[in-house]
Amino acid sequence: ELKVEQNPLFLSMQEGKNYTIYCNYSTTSDRLYWYRQDPGKSLESLFVLLSNGAVKQEGRLMASLDTKARLSTLHITAAVHDLSATYFCAVNDSNYQLIWGAGTKLIIKP
Amino acid sequence: GAVVSQHPSRVICKSGTSVKIECRSLDFQATTMFWYRQFPKQSLMLMATSNEGSKATYEQGVEKDKFLINHASLTLSTLTVTSAHPEDSSFYICSANRDSTYEQYFGPGTRLTVT
Repeated sequence: ELKVEQNPLFLSMQEGKNYTIYCNYSTTSDRLYWYRQDPGKSLESLFVLLSNGAVKQEGRLMASLDTKARLSTLHITAAVHDLSATYFCAVNDSNYQLIWGAGTKLIIKP
Repeated sequence: GAVVSQHPSRVICKSGTSVKIECRSLDFQATTMFWYRQFPKQSLMLMATSNEGSKATYEQGVEKDKFLINHASLTLSTLTVTSAHPEDSSFYICSANRDSTYEQYFGPGTRLTVT
């Protein structure tokens, strides 16, 4: 059974600091996704990672994938308040379904 | 492209009534659509997978007679919550696959409150 674990589940940090969210998954998967969710809103796609060693960056967010370690990271550089949200990672199983991590609630204090 | 809409965005209904939620792919054809529910401070829980022209596949523990799903066309799936109860109050989100891609595109969600 494919499982996805995120950590930490909650993160409070100061603006300007760097931090990393980790996403581990239990069995081989074709691709890994990162999403952002603001309170009361649906999901916003951030990154789709398709291969080992993939690295994608958008603004202050950078995601990477190590398929051998079954690990993805979402790195936040010089955090700003606007990045406060809940971040989810997810992987595809063999039936096109997404298996979700529990989410990381990120609070960035001014 | 790859825009998914949901309607309504919010709905309040009385216990015992039924509510229909629509999910539309606006600029692509969606062979498969997914319905999720999300409780506060929790992750998404897949309720069912809906394929155009066939019966939905429900996840374990989801009552198919209570949560009726219809995927009548390649751009529209509906979720009807029948005989709603307060415990059905939740955030319902749909998503859609484009043909030949794994990626799911998410609708904006529907907040259901049952009083």
